[in-house]
Amino acid sequence: AQTVTQSQPEMSVQEAETVTLSCTYDTSESDYYLFWYKQPPSRQMILVIRQEAYKQQNATENRFSVNFQKAAKSFSLKISDSQLGDAAMYFCAYRRRETSGSRLTFGEGTQLTVNP
Amino acid sequence: DVKVTQSSRYLVKRTGEKVFLECVQDMDHENMFWYRQDPGLGLRLIYFSYDVKMKEKGDIPEGYSVSREKKERFSLILESASTNQTSMYLCASSSYLSNQPQHFGDGTRLSIL
Repeated sequence: AQTVTQSQPEMSVQEAETVTLSCTYDTSESDYYLFWYKQPPSRQMILVIRQEAYKQQNATENRFSVNFQKAAKSFSLKISDSQLGDAAMYFCAYRRRETSGSRLTFGEGTQLTVNP
Repeated sequence: DVKVTQSSRYLVKRTGEKVFLECVQDMDHENMFWYRQDPGLGLRLIYFSYDVKMKEKGDIPEGYSVSREKKERFSLILESASTNQTSMYLCASSSYLSNQPQHFGDGTRLSIL
């Protein structure tokens, strides 16, 4: 079974600074997808960024980027120029590549605080 | 934009009651999911469905059942609510393509007294 681990229950960053959230996973599959989701106090889960395992290039979405190390099974999220609106719970998630019923496996979450 | 709507934001029920949590999506997605979210445990999958009338157990199905009579609606049922089912419940939907993200509702905070 796949597992996802986020070893940092809480992180904090100063506004405008950079922060990196860690995620490791365990799988025997070679092809899969990885996601970072953000859950602000409003509670709605929002997709931040997605990485396809067969792509070597790290995904980037504006101020958000990942460091995907397939051999190490590591998938960290870097937030640059942190903003107050980035404060949220962040979840790392894994998904197998299959045609139907493809489910996500989530990590425990990291609560990010952004200090003004 | 995809809209996943959960019927209640907050719900308070009593031990032993039968509880229904409803979820509706408007994007004709094949897959629908029910998760439970608890502090320090992340999101854990209760049940999912990849087609009408189809369902599969997730990681923690005990004490729950589901119903999917129509493609857009996925219901979670607590047959006899217990205090250890007090939690946040999140519904999600996605297309059958595994590279597509899941879209989530706003969650229902359920308290069982």
